[in-house]
Amino acid sequence: EPEVTQTPSHQVTQMGQEVILRCVPISNHLYFYWYRQILGQKVEFLVSFYNNEISEKSEIFDDQFSVERPDGSNFTLKIRSTKLEDSAMYFCASSDNLGETQYFGPGTRLLVL
Amino acid sequence: QKEVEQDPGPLSVPEGAIVSLNCTYSNSAFQYFMWYRQYSRKGPELLMYTYSSGNKEDGRFTAQVDKSSKYISLFIRDSQPSDSATYLCAMSTLQGAQKLVFGQGTRLTINP
Repeated sequence: EPEVTQTPSHQVTQMGQEVILRCVPISNHLYFYWYRQILGQKVEFLVSFYNNEISEKSEIFDDQFSVERPDGSNFTLKIRSTKLEDSAMYFCASSDNLGETQYFGPGTRLLVL
Repeated sequence: QKEVEQDPGPLSVPEGAIVSLNCTYSNSAFQYFMWYRQYSRKGPELLMYTYSSGNKEDGRFTAQVDKSSKYISLFIRDSQPSDSATYLCAMSTLQGAQKLVFGQGTRLTINP
């Protein structure tokens, strides 16, 4: 069964450093998303991406964040200058051309020290 | 008022029991409703998807939506220890690249 994959599974970084989280969505899917989940809190929407551009972004997704689909398979989230409060689980998701249901990857646990 | 409210539990029931999980919401524009299951430190796994009021059944799981009351439920029949997880409700306003708004999640334990 096709699935969303994410790398790395864990990332530890120093405050102020740049990180890139990588995702490979399900191959025939057209809509891509990033969410985050701070420990013990709700899953929160960050950004949606369709047709090579951002469709919607949340207040969390400020100028420190960017997304890119550099080739036909990868979807990346970049945090330019990490803050302590960026520590969270980051989930990538994708959905097909109907966009009805979103399938999530296993997540990248980011720890900013 | 929060957009989506879900009792975080924890909820503990004996094996074989019927489990009822619920969410309420305030935004009447929500049209699509989902239930996800999340095991500890894993990604949410889609269980059920509905877009109309009424019931939808899939094996031991039944999703119920009451748009007039802004209330959704997930019922698990013949609960198993492997059902122990956190259950998240999620909803969106439209199809396409629409953000999902999640509830807090209910932590469920099924005791053998």
